[in-house]
Amino acid sequence: QVQLVESGGGVVQPGRSLRLSCAASGFSFSSHSMHWVRQAPGKGLEWVAVMPYDGSNKYYADSVKGRFTISRDTATDTLFLEMNSLRTEDTAVYYCAREWNVAAAIDAFDIWGQGTLVTIS
Amino acid sequence: DIQMTQSPSSVSASVGDRVTITCRASQGISSWLAWYQQKPGNAPKLLIHTASNLQSGVPSRFSGSGSGTHFTLTISSLQPEDFATYYCQQAHSFPITFGQGTRLEIK
Repeated sequence: QVQLVESGGGVVQPGRSLRLSCAASGFSFSSHSMHWVRQAPGKGLEWVAVMPYDGSNKYYADSVKGRFTISRDTATDTLFLEMNSLRTEDTAVYYCAREWNVAAAIDAFDIWGQGTLVTIS
Repeated sequence: DIQMTQSPSSVSASVGDRVTITCRASQGISSWLAWYQQKPGNAPKLLIHTASNLQSGVPSRFSGSGSGTHFTLTISSLQPEDFATYYCQQAHSFPITFGQGTRLEIK
């Protein structure tokens, strides 16, 4: 079964750090680009970062550039988001998502995790 | 950055109605557009990719069209389970951007 399961969310104070994880299963993890997308309470979707399928050029939203780092462990099929210097405006549900198109540089997201809530307060 | 603008922001409709949601891109994105459905407390669900390609398992009452800067999502005959929020997303270039969402409510 194709699945993504996020973990690591919680309540942290402004300025602190947090690391999110996304465990993938049921598909070839290294063949798909993987993304983090967040949604503030009651708001719309905001793309955060991408890990390309080949591990090459990573991209970030301007709102997190320099503070967040996306990485992966292909041995355990796990995607990570290291979040530093957290701000109140980073409060959101964070989803990891898979690009549907194998070996694509950028495309739509067909598999999403259930999300993990990060609260900065 | 490419700005995505959806209209309307909300719409009320009845079961059986035909509904169309529009998404406009601030610059041309060819057919690199996706549509998602999101219900409260759930992750988004991919409905359509590359502007008009129905994702596997999505009912055929959903359809997408458009290219360049103007796109539409049409639900041909609303079912009770279709009442949700819909988002468009451009997959042309980074940063990936979403529309602000269209809330589809029961009349």
